[in-house]
Amino acid sequence: QSALTQPASVSGSPGQSITISCTGTSSDVGGYNYVSWYQQHPGKAPKLMIYEVSNRPSGVSNRFSGSKSGNTASLTISGLQAEDEADYYCSSYTSSSTSVVFGGGTKLTVL
Amino acid sequence: QLQLQESGPGLVKPSETLSLTCTVSGGSISSSSYYWGWIRQPPGKGLEWIGSIYYSGSTYYNPSLKSRVTISVDTSKNQFSLKLSSVTAADTAVYYCARNVKGGLVPAAHNWFDPWGQGTLVTVSS
Repeated sequence: QSALTQPASVSGSPGQSITISCTGTSSDVGGYNYVSWYQQHPGKAPKLMIYEVSNRPSGVSNRFSGSKSGNTASLTISGLQAEDEADYYCSSYTSSSTSVVFGGGTKLTVL
Repeated sequence: QLQLQESGPGLVKPSETLSLTCTVSGGSISSSSYYWGWIRQPPGKGLEWIGSIYYSGSTYYNPSLKSRVTISVDTSKNQFSLKLSSVTAADTAVYYCARNVKGGLVPAAHNWFDPWGQGTLVTVSS
């Protein structure tokens, strides 16, 4: 099973918006709404930011939003803040092996 | 508030078996709504799903690790465990356990992971 494809890095200035893409196939991202996004700060465990493509858990800022078009899911962070600097991972269920696949991760730098 | 905590040896010799346990507190592992999963992260690299288990004992494994992985559950202790055999240096990683929500509409589908344990570093070295 192949990892989902994410850009290695993205950057933005405080207050700006950025979007991180996550590309899979019709067996995973494109076929199901079981896409989730995680934020990971150095030395910390991942934190759920978005589930089922576009839903935010309680306590997650509404500056974080998710969407999907075809085989590509996206995470958008608006009003960038210094604390958003972290690694971001997408994940999806894949029917090809009844399993879970993660993206390679994207490092977000707030300039 | 549900919490998960990994435990086990931090150093394993090559060719031996890595064994970790995840203890769940603040909730029951016997819920019909969840799987319980293991995810690992080699130093400086990304996340890799290892596998998940249902309280009944049904298991789902990453195809690339399936031949070496065994995940089991002990509902009486509210714990689930990971065994990874024939380890090499490539298995050096931080190992996380996490609650894995079931996909509601698709049988055996796996949804999001939340919460996660703090992670435990396992080093494979002689």
